[in-house]
Amino acid sequence: GAGVSQSPSNKVTEKGKDVELRCDPISGHTALYWYRQSLGQGLEFLIYFQGNSAPDKSGLPSDRFSAERTGGSVSTLTIQRTQQEDSAVYLCASRYTAPNTGELFFGEGSRLTVL
Amino acid sequence: SQQGEEDPQALSIQEGENATMNCSYKTSINNLQWYRQNSGRGLVHLILIRSNEREKHSGRLRVTLDTSKKSSSLLITASRAADTASYFCATPFSGTYKYIFGTGTRLKVLA
Repeated sequence: GAGVSQSPSNKVTEKGKDVELRCDPISGHTALYWYRQSLGQGLEFLIYFQGNSAPDKSGLPSDRFSAERTGGSVSTLTIQRTQQEDSAVYLCASRYTAPNTGELFFGEGSRLTVL
Repeated sequence: SQQGEEDPQALSIQEGENATMNCSYKTSINNLQWYRQNSGRGLVHLILIRSNEREKHSGRLRVTLDTSKKSSSLLITASRAADTASYFCATPFSGTYKYIFGTGTRLKVLA
């Protein structure tokens, strides 16, 4: 597709369940980011993938959160044993690195509600 | 913790007026970017300014960067109701490509 695609756009789950959020970056973008945005707040960095390098996981809030990127393209963010405080919009962004314009392209986000 | 802090947190102006929002950051940077977010949507890149630039223009947008003060400002001239959105600055953290976003300024332009 032309832009960053995220699915599902909305997810309602019960506390304690696991959820998977998917991000399909722009073709050819080797850098991929996940952010979390709580209602009315700024963006909280979660994780960053760059090519085949080890991801920067420094923003993951707990070991219930994990992410992987398969084949240098699609990424999945997994939240295990969801808690109510996990409710937020999860945003994915990708970036072209050759040349490196610095600009991040964002998807429309996945809104997660934990009941 | 957040790398950047914007102020004001919220700004309400009349159509046709100019809107100025500021961003402060903590570590050395090689560029700073501004993004716009319409309610409930993804972010859209507005402008990037490099550390060796002091000012940059794009249409009705003017961005300044003062690396000695670790601050930047975004000026939107002749604002329109369609400019109503949240505006965020983003900086790469400590020489990496880990982009950290500020807390955002919510701009409301009244018609």
